[in-house]
Amino acid sequence: DQQVKQNSPSLSVQEGRISILNCDYTNSMFDYFLWYKKYPAEGPTFLISISSIKDKNEDGRFTVFLNKSAKHLSLHIVPSQPGDSAVYFCAAGGSGTYKYIFGTGTRLKVLA
Amino acid sequence: EAGVTQFPSHSVIEKGQTVTLRCDPISGHDNLYWYRRVMGKEIKFLLHFVKESKQDESGMPNNRFLAERTGGTYSTLKVQPAELEDSGVYFCASSEAGTEKLFFGSGTQLSVL
Repeated sequence: DQQVKQNSPSLSVQEGRISILNCDYTNSMFDYFLWYKKYPAEGPTFLISISSIKDKNEDGRFTVFLNKSAKHLSLHIVPSQPGDSAVYFCAAGGSGTYKYIFGTGTRLKVLA
Repeated sequence: EAGVTQFPSHSVIEKGQTVTLRCDPISGHDNLYWYRRVMGKEIKFLLHFVKESKQDESGMPNNRFLAERTGGTYSTLKVQPAELEDSGVYFCASSEAGTEKLFFGSGTQLSVL
């Protein structure tokens, strides 16, 4: 049973608009969450993270929101740029365990 | 500074053969991980080394997979004998002690025919 789910396999957004990528998890023991971006033929690259003691973390154009009661997190990209086109993975784990559970990824396409 | 490097980038072998994948982590990173992505699905945890010790190998599929990290530097992942379902992209990642941020290599695309 998948503990981290990204239910949207793909998303298309116009350049300049907001991209919202969603992630749901089932294990209430998860207390650390990360987003990774992956370009073709490359490994995933760390984007942003959030600990369960926060509900929001911001880094430039990227913001991650965490709703613990709903076991849901989202990544907002504003404004979206064509270079943001990639596959985005959500990952979750318990702090200190270093064993992260990844979702299946969402392919984002930003249209110029 | 060099990132995580993996070799080979691609490997095509026949069922029953042996393949060894190599990973060189970022210098000074005590933590080393192996992950696998099969057929565009999720990236699945295989195992975690802290220096030369296996900290968690709960994700290893079966005893056909053997990972080593001699001297706490580079790591190898051997698959022997390879089966069709072993095909996928094998990622290595490393991190500094006490941090959760993983740095990934570009992966090895393994195709078992």
